Amino acid sequence: DSGVTQTPKHLITATGQRVTLRCSPRSGDLSVYWYQQSLDQGLQFLIHYYNGEERAKGNILERFSAQQFPDLHSELNLSSLELGDSALYFCASSARDRGQETQYFGPGTRLLVL
Amino acid sequence: KNQVEQSPQSLIILEGKNCTLQCNYTVSPFSNLRWYKQDTGRGPVSLTIMTFSENTKSNGRYTATLDADTKQSSLHITASQLSDSASYICVVSYLDHNAGNNRKLIWGLGTSLAVNP
Repeated sequence: DSGVTQTPKHLITATGQRVTLRCSPRSGDLSVYWYQQSLDQGLQFLIHYYNGEERAKGNILERFSAQQFPDLHSELNLSSLELGDSALYFCASSARDRGQETQYFGPGTRLLVL
Repeated sequence: KNQVEQSPQSLIILEGKNCTLQCNYTVSPFSNLRWYKQDTGRGPVSLTIMTFSENTKSNGRYTATLDADTKQSSLHITASQLSDSASYICVVSYLDHNAGNNRKLIWGLGTSLAVNP
């Protein structure tokens, strides 16, 4: 158990709909990262938040948005869903150990768009 | 262009055997390199992290090597176990001068390892 929690574990929805994925980082971690992993694909970095502020953006679609709240939990909003958005969505929080940052991943949310 | 390439794409070995996974990168300026293990349907878990000055680092039966000159890393698994079946991902961190020197990560596509009894 990494200490990072994600809800829901599974989500089934229809095209055109909007969903919200939630992530709670490990206690004390200020950074939250979101990743998308499609079937048999590598992890695609979406966005990084640090202490409530957006730090970096990756390959995140305009239909997707995220935010990090004062209590440091984060939400990833996916709208106008398409079949191709079906994937595993991972959240990770990070900590520095001896100057090196390590990401700790949550169990993921499996999204299926029908 | 900053890239991370892993080989082989997939590998099947028998339980108890050793294997070596490769990672080549063209990332610059290099900050560090990590190997992650990802079980199917689960989040990646960090195995090792190596900086520029480190040549080798072990974590149990996993040993990672780094040659910063040739920009190559390997992950050697000794006496494989069934539970080693997973995807092994190489991730290279670099400083993005175009983004305020923030550290960024380049993820490899992973090597899928299957350990058979």
